[in-house]
Amino acid sequence: QQQVKQSPQSLIVQKGGISIINCAYENTAFDYFPWYQQFPGKGPALLIAIRPDVSEKKEGRFTISFNKSAKQFSLHIMDSQPGDSATYFCAAGVSGYSTLTFGKGTMLLVSP
Amino acid sequence: DVKVTQSSRYLVKRTGEKVFLECVQDMDHENMFWYRQDPGLGLRLIYFSYDVKMKEKGDIPEGYSVSREKKERFSLILESASTNQTSMYLCASSGAPLGEAQYFGPGTRLLVL
Repeated sequence: QQQVKQSPQSLIVQKGGISIINCAYENTAFDYFPWYQQFPGKGPALLIAIRPDVSEKKEGRFTISFNKSAKQFSLHIMDSQPGDSATYFCAAGVSGYSTLTFGKGTMLLVSP
Repeated sequence: DVKVTQSSRYLVKRTGEKVFLECVQDMDHENMFWYRQDPGLGLRLIYFSYDVKMKEKGDIPEGYSVSREKKERFSLILESASTNQTSMYLCASSGAPLGEAQYFGPGTRLLVL
């Protein structure tokens, strides 16, 4: 029930295209959903996060879409750039109760 | 900006050695975490600490121990290193409460020969 399932495992997108990464969860108690970006040889960095009281959050070219009834959330990267090539992790947590549960990650390659 | 630092970027140790990995955060965070990251397995939680001298087991605590004597410092100890502990080790910290944003250090790549 604590699992967060992330797909796809890897993704190749052309420069200027839209990258979409999906996550699904079972635990309806989750109330915090962050996305992390990790470049090779670096630690993951918090990219953007959402709570279930909103269906969408946008920061620059990055958007989280949240579907509470489907228990799914996704990261959209608009106008993808080669510099966005990285591994992306979704996560979910129950505020004040549990540590974050991470998806297994998606390797994104944006081709020039 | 939150800063989490780890004592080493790369370490090479021999089987059976005792290994210490240290992590320091400068944001007065209550919670600190140790993960290992392996290809295809994502981030797996080894131990976490929610206060000084307090610790909780994560998903894969076997073969590891931790120490938190000061709020800003969290150490991971491999009592007797084995080759299957070759991995990338990531430290993270977060403010209260649990379940909120974690901030990661740069990682320590450990090779056990």
